[in-house]
Amino acid sequence: DIQLTQSPSSLSASVGDRVTITCRASQGIGYALAWFQQKPGRAPKSLIYAASSLQNGVPSKFSGSGSGTDFTLTISSLQPEDFATYYCQHYTDYPFTFGGGTEVELK
Amino acid sequence: EVQLVESGGGLVQPGGSLRLSCATSGFTFNDHFMDWVRQAPGKGLEWVGRIAPRSNSYTTFYSASVRGRFTISRDDSQNSLFLQMNSLETEDTAVYYCAMSPRGRGPCEHWGQGTLVTVSS
Repeated sequence: DIQLTQSPSSLSASVGDRVTITCRASQGIGYALAWFQQKPGRAPKSLIYAASSLQNGVPSKFSGSGSGTDFTLTISSLQPEDFATYYCQHYTDYPFTFGGGTEVELK
Repeated sequence: EVQLVESGGGLVQPGGSLRLSCATSGFTFNDHFMDWVRQAPGKGLEWVGRIAPRSNSYTTFYSASVRGRFTISRDDSQNSLFLQMNSLETEDTAVYYCAMSPRGRGPCEHWGQGTLVTVSS
């Protein structure tokens, strides 16, 4: 099975900061990576698919990049509504797996 | 508007069974891959499994942790997804989400609100 390792597991940031989260796959997955945002008590929300394609309605402050084994999610200017936990997920081969999550907290 | 509504969660004893349902609307259900994803209290997301549409022979895929105990099925006439869970263990305690992939076998992009399953004696 393909393992996804996210780093950091948590980070503290201020409003306006640029934040970068990384996701590393245990083997190459091409561009078959998605990013999700989850707030406490809520279902996950899809942000990005195919490593860098933004979902409809997701603000352009979110961006994704990478291919193969190394991927990043960047939030260009953190806003109060962005404090949440972020997960990557691959969908190249079954079983699909999620990364362990990155909690973005207010500094 | 795509809507997914899970039901059927509750308290069950170890070794017991439970069947979750997911009622859907707002899209052509029989065209889409559907997933179940779970989240244990205070933990991350865990992919449980997927069922393909009829065009892909209703093929099912499972994580190793549930294979042989859980069964995913669908009723296209009712636009509904199901998760039959047998031989439940305390480690199966989680919120269970159903989710839909709008892009073939790609990731799920629409999610229900989840239903809580608690396995405890």
